[in-house]
Amino acid sequence: QSVVTQPPSASGTPGQRVTISCSGSSSNIGSNTVNWYQHLPGTAPKLLIYSNNQRPSGVPDRFSGSKSGTSASLAISGLQSEDEADYYCAAWDDSLIGHVFGGGTKLTVL
Amino acid sequence: EVQLVESGGGLVQPGGSLRLSCAASGFTFGGSWMSWARQAPGKGLEWVANINQGGSVKHYVDSVKGRFTISRDNAKTSLYLQMNSLRAEDTAVYYCTRDTSGAFDVWGQGTVVTVSS
Repeated sequence: QSVVTQPPSASGTPGQRVTISCSGSSSNIGSNTVNWYQHLPGTAPKLLIYSNNQRPSGVPDRFSGSKSGTSASLAISGLQSEDEADYYCAAWDDSLIGHVFGGGTKLTVL
Repeated sequence: EVQLVESGGGLVQPGGSLRLSCAASGFTFGGSWMSWARQAPGKGLEWVANINQGGSVKHYVDSVKGRFTISRDNAKTSLYLQMNSLRAEDTAVYYCTRDTSGAFDVWGQGTVVTVSS
């Protein structure tokens, strides 16, 4: 059971906007930046959003991140079939003295 | 090209040991924090350990403390994970990652560790 909580699944149709939530506590999301990762089975995870809302070069601007208090969210607009993947939020935890990942959200494009 | 390549995975009996290696190239390895993360079958990603640029600061997830040791050789641009007293629950794909200001911005393809008798 992760200390950072994500919904296990999300879905949308092509072109739709989908959001994935990430809920933590004062020791992780509340006091540190949040990063988001995209993971397709059999491949290496990919950094999607860092420092709450920054996109690495090469990541489409369809992906955006936000954070408020002890929660964060990832939004994907103009959903495409290739976005079907597992998405994880993560942050440093000052109490555990380590990084923590959310449990992951499996996104299905209907 | 920035690259991380893991090796050393395999099948090991419970209680056994294994040493994972990660060869880095294309960036200033000695200037980077590095981490190991893993994904057990059917489970999510889990951070395992990290180490600072000089190797003097190390952190571990509670479940591996006292059993796993992270280390690095900057001259060889390599990261290591010594895993002792392995348990079935350590079975996973292990990833080497570059840890840039808390974000894992470069990942290897992973190496599979299976703990089973």
